[in-house]
Amino acid sequence: KAGVTQTPRYLIKTRGQQVTLSCSPISGHRSVSWYQQTPGQGLQFLFEYFSETQRNKGNFPGRFSGRQFSNSRSEMNVSTLELGDSALYLCASSDRVSETQYFGPGTRLLVL
Amino acid sequence: GQQVMQIPQYQHVQEGEDFTTYCNSSTTLSNIQWYKQRPGGHPVFLIQLVKSGEVKKQKRLTFQFGEAKKNSSLHITATQTTDVGTYFCAGLAGTASKLTFGTGTRLQVTL
Repeated sequence: KAGVTQTPRYLIKTRGQQVTLSCSPISGHRSVSWYQQTPGQGLQFLFEYFSETQRNKGNFPGRFSGRQFSNSRSEMNVSTLELGDSALYLCASSDRVSETQYFGPGTRLLVL
Repeated sequence: GQQVMQIPQYQHVQEGEDFTTYCNSSTTLSNIQWYKQRPGGHPVFLIQLVKSGEVKKQKRLTFQFGEAKKNSSLHITATQTTDVGTYFCAGLAGTASKLTFGTGTRLQVTL
């Protein structure tokens, strides 16, 4: 089976812009979770979607949003980017909510 | 909310030495998972522990879940340079709750 894929892999944006990141889970997996990873804060959970419904949410501002499509693919959107949003954004899929996470390679976002 | 802490944050060992990282949760866990992230890579699942006091081994790696299901440890015997990376534990407080990752322990191994 193909692994989790994320696009784009690298992205440079400026403050105030918005960005959309995409994640395609492993075939058959219906749960997709998003994490933000920074050197100082480790792996921070953003949200989890299962069958197009948000099941869990982390402690991030409303500028961070996501959605999941009927084919389980997921997108994450960050509006009004801030410098502090620079990070590696990881997507992970699993076959059930909060089960073993299979991570994608991540999207590295740099906000200037 | 649930917090999962790991110690140490960083450890540097000589190849052949043993290494242990400890994971402590503020709440009782239904299960705990361990992941390894190589430099420049993404976290990769290693193992899941479910039962109180459970011990599992994978070659030189030994994983343990505490009796109270609030802590866990990962022990590596005779480290190798291939063990370099950051080790994360991740705890689940209950079904349908979110998986909370620990702060991670970065392991550096030198010859």
